[in-house]
Amino acid sequence: NAGVTQTPKFQVLKTGQSMTLQCAQDMNHNSMYWYRQDPGMGLRLIYYSASEGTTDKGEVPNGYNVSRLNKREFSLRLESAAPSQTSVYFCASSREWASGGSTDTQYFGPGTRLTVL
Amino acid sequence: AQTVTQSQPEMSVQEAETVTLSCTYDTSESDYYLFWYKQPPSRQMILVIRQEAYKQQNATENRFSVNFQKAAKSFSLKISDSQLGDAAMYFCAYRSLRDSNYQLIWGAGTKLIIKP
Repeated sequence: NAGVTQTPKFQVLKTGQSMTLQCAQDMNHNSMYWYRQDPGMGLRLIYYSASEGTTDKGEVPNGYNVSRLNKREFSLRLESAAPSQTSVYFCASSREWASGGSTDTQYFGPGTRLTVL
Repeated sequence: AQTVTQSQPEMSVQEAETVTLSCTYDTSESDYYLFWYKQPPSRQMILVIRQEAYKQQNATENRFSVNFQKAAKSFSLKISDSQLGDAAMYFCAYRSLRDSNYQLIWGAGTKLIIKP
């Protein structure tokens, strides 16, 4: 049981390049999330998928797109990377969405450190 | 809008001693959840403890306990018998049960240093 996995662990891009961050979970969770973490700040939600087949914008969605490929996988795409997108990206999952119980507790992957030059 | 404030950017404690990390939040709601997450150097966020606002009893998980003061909007984390493995960034987070998208709102974090 690996939990939440993310690839790659590190990535360096040039301005204007594109890339996709991959995330997978093996806990049979319904909901998945993408966050970014910048120095001195808490996590900020980029996009989330409350259930398979649905995606919604979070607090900072501009410059990103997501795909919920299936129940296990949730990818984040940067179409034209900008230096402002230099950050650490976390994927997370939870069993349910806003259940009001312990099943909406989020479990996180190890993160991807992205640098855009 | 809800906000979460962690006023201590860094704290240090001697191994085996007790340390308390502070968290305050601002909300007009009565139903919500509060969390403490730990982020070690490996960077993975790990849930430490969770508190439901409707519960008066403070949550505990082994050496970790919270002091939840709903009226004061305060949610501090107490770590007893500190161990070297407790060294990490600690984040406080709030989750509404009424907000339309139920996002977690995060504090900026407190770096905990354990002195051997």
